Amino acid sequence: KQEVTQIPAALSVPEGENLVLNCSFTDSAIYNLQWFRQDPGKGLTSLLLIQSSQREQTSGRLNASLDKSSGRSTLYIAASQPGDSATYLCAVPSGGGADGLTFGKGTHLIIQP
Amino acid sequence: DAGVIQSPRHEVTEMGQEVTLRCKPISGHNSLFWYRQTMMRGLELLIYFNNNVPIDDSGMPEDRFSAKMPNASFSTLKIQPSEPRDSAVYFCASIVGLAGVSNTDTQYFGPGTRLTVL
Repeated sequence: KQEVTQIPAALSVPEGENLVLNCSFTDSAIYNLQWFRQDPGKGLTSLLLIQSSQREQTSGRLNASLDKSSGRSTLYIAASQPGDSATYLCAVPSGGGADGLTFGKGTHLIIQP
Repeated sequence: DAGVIQSPRHEVTEMGQEVTLRCKPISGHNSLFWYRQTMMRGLELLIYFNNNVPIDDSGMPEDRFSAKMPNASFSTLKIQPSEPRDSAVYFCASIVGLAGVSNTDTQYFGPGTRLTVL
């Protein structure tokens, strides 16, 4: 059974810092890995989706990398801003298509102004 | 597009009562997912449908939980009877695609229903 772990569980940094969030998964036979953002009381918003054949994906100040063989992914946030404060979740699908996702418990990020 | 719509947004009920949560997926999406989020267990997949057919319900915790998708634009998750440990946020998500068929899209989540069982 796939298990997804995220480290750290919580992180508080001053504005402007670059930071790295970590995600690991136990079964490397994944088709993709996704990073989501969740704001308090809200649903999930997709940030990046990395296919298994890709090494990384970038969107603005966000960069996600994937190392299938080691079962790891990182989300890099450059020049953090208070608006980045949220919970960040990584998830992998049970299959290759429209299959259910297995989520980590998330990293709760606070960016201090 | 209005996105995934869930109702109600908040539900408070007493133990033993029946609870029905509703979801309208994004138009044109043929797969729908129900998840539950708690502090202790995080986000867990309960059940999902492809083309209105349940594909995997192994995440449904007990027989007290049931889900239906009578048509492409509507799904319900029912808990009967409800218990305090069912208190959680229930999310619905949808996507275009089929289980086991390569997909490059992400799931789109609704705002969730916060359920409190007293």
